[in-house]
Amino acid sequence: GQQVMQIPQYQHVQEGEDFTTYCNSSTTLSNIQWYKQRPGGHPVFLIQLVKSGEVKKQKRLTFQFGEAKKNSSLHITATQTTDVGTYFCAAINYGGSQGNLIFGKGTKLSVKP
Amino acid sequence: GAGVSQTPSNKVTEKGKYVELRCDPISGHTALYWYRQSLGQGPEFLIYFQGTGAADDSGLPNDRFFAVRPEGSVSTLKIQRTERGDSAVYLCASSLYSQYTGELFFGEGSRLTVL
Repeated sequence: GQQVMQIPQYQHVQEGEDFTTYCNSSTTLSNIQWYKQRPGGHPVFLIQLVKSGEVKKQKRLTFQFGEAKKNSSLHITATQTTDVGTYFCAAINYGGSQGNLIFGKGTKLSVKP
Repeated sequence: GAGVSQTPSNKVTEKGKYVELRCDPISGHTALYWYRQSLGQGPEFLIYFQGTGAADDSGLPNDRFFAVRPEGSVSTLKIQRTERGDSAVYLCASSLYSQYTGELFFGEGSRLTVL
């Protein structure tokens, strides 16, 4: 079945530094979603990307979908302590009967004040 | 309620026992999903319901796991003859239509510990 690989697994930054996490697939994705999970919390939807080369921004967060729709990235500018958490990408896996949403292993971000 | 509700929030059981986990999705959401998450891992897909039927159960690890959604709303995940390896947080999510059309809303999860 389809898999999405995320790198890095961990990222430690000083507050104010930038942060980027990458999501890669060996197959073309129909769309990709990004979620954030705070420590002790549940995943919360951030965004969905559908179009090739799409770029979306949410305040300090910038999301990109690759031209070939095989990779995606999330970039945070000037990190804050509130950005702490694990960021997951998720994509449709067509291995099941109707497809299901599979998650990467996530990138855990810690921010030192 | 306003969000996805899961009960119990914590369940400790002994190996070999039967467990039921309940999920109450957001009102009006036709799609419901079960995932499980182990420490340091991403959510692992188990099963997806569209209405009352299981549209995709390819993630259920074996026949000890079963889920139902008899009236198209509340769902119950049932685990028979629990094993220590079943220990994880079981997450339920719902979405308005299907996962192709937008975000999943997750509940707080049920933490299962099998001793």
